[in-house]
Amino acid sequence: AQKITQTQPGMFVQEKEAVTLDCTYDTSDQSYGLFWYKQPSSGEMIFLIYQGSYDEQNATEGRYSLNFQKARKSANLVISASQLGDSAMYFCASDPTFTGNQFYFGTGTSLTVIP
Amino acid sequence: DTGVSQDPRHKITKRGQNVTFRCDPISEHNRLYWYRQTLGQGPEFLTYFQNEAQLEKSRLLSDRFSAERPKGSFSTLEIQRTEQGDSAMYLCASTSSGRIAKNIQYFGAGTRLSVL
Repeated sequence: AQKITQTQPGMFVQEKEAVTLDCTYDTSDQSYGLFWYKQPSSGEMIFLIYQGSYDEQNATEGRYSLNFQKARKSANLVISASQLGDSAMYFCASDPTFTGNQFYFGTGTSLTVIP
Repeated sequence: DTGVSQDPRHKITKRGQNVTFRCDPISEHNRLYWYRQTLGQGPEFLTYFQNEAQLEKSRLLSDRFSAERPKGSFSTLEIQRTEQGDSAMYLCASTSSGRIAKNIQYFGAGTRLSVL
């Protein structure tokens, strides 16, 4: 099974600053997908960004970018220009065989944006 | 399309009772997933369907749990003889199969179960 590790239980960032949330994964597969989700206090998991193992460029979606370092097996999420509405739990997840047969989530990082 | 919907949002039950949750996926999605999330943890995969076929089941899914997707549209998750350890958020997600969709899952708001 592919394990996802998020080592930062909680993070604080000043409004308008950038923040990096760490994620490492453990896989022996060549083809896999990596994802980041946001979970506000309401509970719904919101998809943010996707990175495929064969994608040559780091993924970007608006203020979100993924710092993908394949050799280090890391897929860190960078949020630029933080907003108060970014305060939430953030989960890194993997599709370890690129088939969608199973997904694995990390334990999450709680981000608090300080005004 | 309003996204993935789950019903009910909250359920309180007594230990030993049966409960059933419903999930309506995004209409064009053929894959549907169920997860369980406990406090302070990420979602844990329970099972998934492609159309009406249940293709994968986690060892977490004890024999008290059963899921169906009879017509390949909505799905139900039933828990029989509930235990206090079943208290959790139950999340449903859907996606389309195939590489173009990248298996990106879209989630509902979840059903929070409390077993007293």
